[in-house]
Amino acid sequence: EVQLVESGGGLVKPGGSLRLSCAASGFTFSSYSMNWVRQAPGKGLEWVSSISSSSSYIYYADSVKGRFTISRDNAKNSLYLQMNSLRAEDTAVYYCARERYSSRRYGMDVWGQGTTVTVSS
Amino acid sequence: QSALTQPASVSGSPGQSITISCTGTSSDVGGYNYVSWYQQHPGKAPKLMIYEVSNRPSGVPDRFSGSKSGNTASLTISGLQAEDEADYYCSSYTSSSTVFGGGTKLTVL
Repeated sequence: EVQLVESGGGLVKPGGSLRLSCAASGFTFSSYSMNWVRQAPGKGLEWVSSISSSSSYIYYADSVKGRFTISRDNAKNSLYLQMNSLRAEDTAVYYCARERYSSRRYGMDVWGQGTTVTVSS
Repeated sequence: QSALTQPASVSGSPGQSITISCTGTSSDVGGYNYVSWYQQHPGKAPKLMIYEVSNRPSGVPDRFSGSKSGNTASLTISGLQAEDEADYYCSSYTSSSTVFGGGTKLTVL
């Protein structure tokens, strides 16, 4: 079964750090571009970051550039999001999502269940 | 990286057709044929319904169709069913990012 499982969410104080993980199974992880997408409580979807299959191409939303770092370990079938200097507005459910192919643009066809990040003092 | 513009809500009766618009610019929707549409039920993860403007993934009913004209993409759902009630989001590729629309809540009356 094709599956993505996020972990690492939790409660963190403003200015703090958190590392999210996404474990992939049921497909050849190294062949696909991956994304992080977030959704603040009661709000819409917001794309956060993308990484190509070989990590050659990495993109960030302006709202997280310089604070978040996306990475992947194809040997471990895992995607990561290192989040530093967290702000209250980063509070959201964070989804890991697979692109249909090795580069972004073709649509995100597999999504995890999401992990919740709450930034509050 | 401005969000694409979608109507906040649309509604229709069972069996009817509805269309959700998604307006961007020549830097996103108008510049590429890489528009996707997602369905999200409350408390669930999004589901890809349309990719590359008008293509349906396997398993998505042919009641769902997509199109694009200029800077505006559209999702049409024909033969509305109760289970279609959900939030719908468009997204577009850009040269440096991916951008989503603000979302449209579809109510089946």
